[in-house]
Amino acid sequence: AQSVSQHNHHVILSEAASLELGCNYSYGGTVNLFWYVQYPGQHLQLLLKYFSGDPLVKGIKGFEAEFIKSKFSFNLRKPSVQWSDTAEYFCAVNAHSNYQLIWGAGTKLIIKP
Amino acid sequence: DAGVTQSPTHLIKTRGQQVTLRCSPKSGHDTVSWYQQALGQGPQFIFQYYEEEERQRGNFPDRFSGHQFPNYSSELNVNALLLGDSALYLCASSYGKELFFGEGSRLTVL
Repeated sequence: AQSVSQHNHHVILSEAASLELGCNYSYGGTVNLFWYVQYPGQHLQLLLKYFSGDPLVKGIKGFEAEFIKSKFSFNLRKPSVQWSDTAEYFCAVNAHSNYQLIWGAGTKLIIKP
Repeated sequence: DAGVTQSPTHLIKTRGQQVTLRCSPKSGHDTVSWYQQALGQGPQFIFQYYEEEERQRGNFPDRFSGHQFPNYSSELNVNALLLGDSALYLCASSYGKELFFGEGSRLTVL
């Protein structure tokens, strides 16, 4: 069965620090990859997505992610975080032939001002 | 342009009761998916509706059922509620691969 693993459940950083959140999935076939963000009190929003092509994808608010097929990874990065990045971040995957999104458990990110 | 709307936002039920949750998709979207999110976990796929039929179902018992109407809105029904059904129920609509989420209906079963 497919699964998604997010390595850190809680991350605390200071403003201007660099961010990398890990995401690994288990599925041998072709996949679609997503990062969603949930700001406090708000609904889940798409941060970025990968379907095919350039494995380095850029999303909103300065976030980017790199798909490394050989490592089954899709890590999220941001060079310099802001207090407003405080949120919960979810990695999600689905197989090309499947409508079901499989989600990681999420990473709660707290940015100290 | 209205996003995905869900109702009710919060509700409390007792064990054994039944509940119906409602979802109106984003304008132009024809597909609705339902997810259950327990506290501290990622969402779990319940099912997806397209053209008024259940297109795919996750690993949930038959107590969970749904419906999609001709206007693409959808309902999630849960019968014989258990304590473990307490969760945030998320509706997501789509026209393609990207999901757009509502704010969810938080169900508490006592």
